[in-house]
Amino acid sequence: DQQVKQNSPSLSVQEGRISILNCDYTNSMFDYFLWYKKYPAEGPTFLISISSIKDKNEDGRFTVFLNKSAKHLSLHIVPSQPGDSAVYFCAASPLIQGAQKLVFGQGTRLTINP
Amino acid sequence: DTGVSQDPRHKITKRGQNVTFRCDPISEHNRLYWYRQTLGQGPEFLTYFQNEAQLEKSRLLSDRFSAERPKGSFSTLEIQRTEQGDSAMYLCASSLTGPGLNSPLHFGNGTRLTVT
Repeated sequence: DQQVKQNSPSLSVQEGRISILNCDYTNSMFDYFLWYKKYPAEGPTFLISISSIKDKNEDGRFTVFLNKSAKHLSLHIVPSQPGDSAVYFCAASPLIQGAQKLVFGQGTRLTINP
Repeated sequence: DTGVSQDPRHKITKRGQNVTFRCDPISEHNRLYWYRQTLGQGPEFLTYFQNEAQLEKSRLLSDRFSAERPKGSFSTLEIQRTEQGDSAMYLCASSLTGPGLNSPLHFGNGTRLTVT
């Protein structure tokens, strides 16, 4: 029962262009969503989060959009840089619990081409 | 902020042996979590502590697994009678939680377990 799904295992984007990573969820109790980035041989690193009271949150080059009715969120990276090449995980949790029992997607491997 | 530290980074063991991993969280963080990640999947929640109290355990955590956080600082995860299916990356994370405060999880670099 995959409650959080990232349907694209990989994505390749030209440097300087926009990268869009997508995530779908099924559990309507999820109210808090996060994106993590993971380099090889390292643990996941927190990027950006959003709660359901918002539909957009922005931090520098990273913007997360949330569409609650569609149970869909996306991460936009503009402009994409070579250092953004990594595996990106979407994660979700009921807000009442905060960021403890995160349910992660399978990840999307992003490759930024020079 | 020295980050979350995990030891060892790699562990190879034979089936049936016991293994123990250690995690040192960020010092001021009161919550500590263990997750497991297998190839091609995202991390899966195993258990978490608020200070020294273990508040929740996933059904993924069989009775061969035990976790402790004796003084509310570092934590250990022990796996008894290891099986090949235990081969995975074991990730520790910590966060700071309080009134009006709930920081995101900060993960360590993990311990990769291989059971032969």
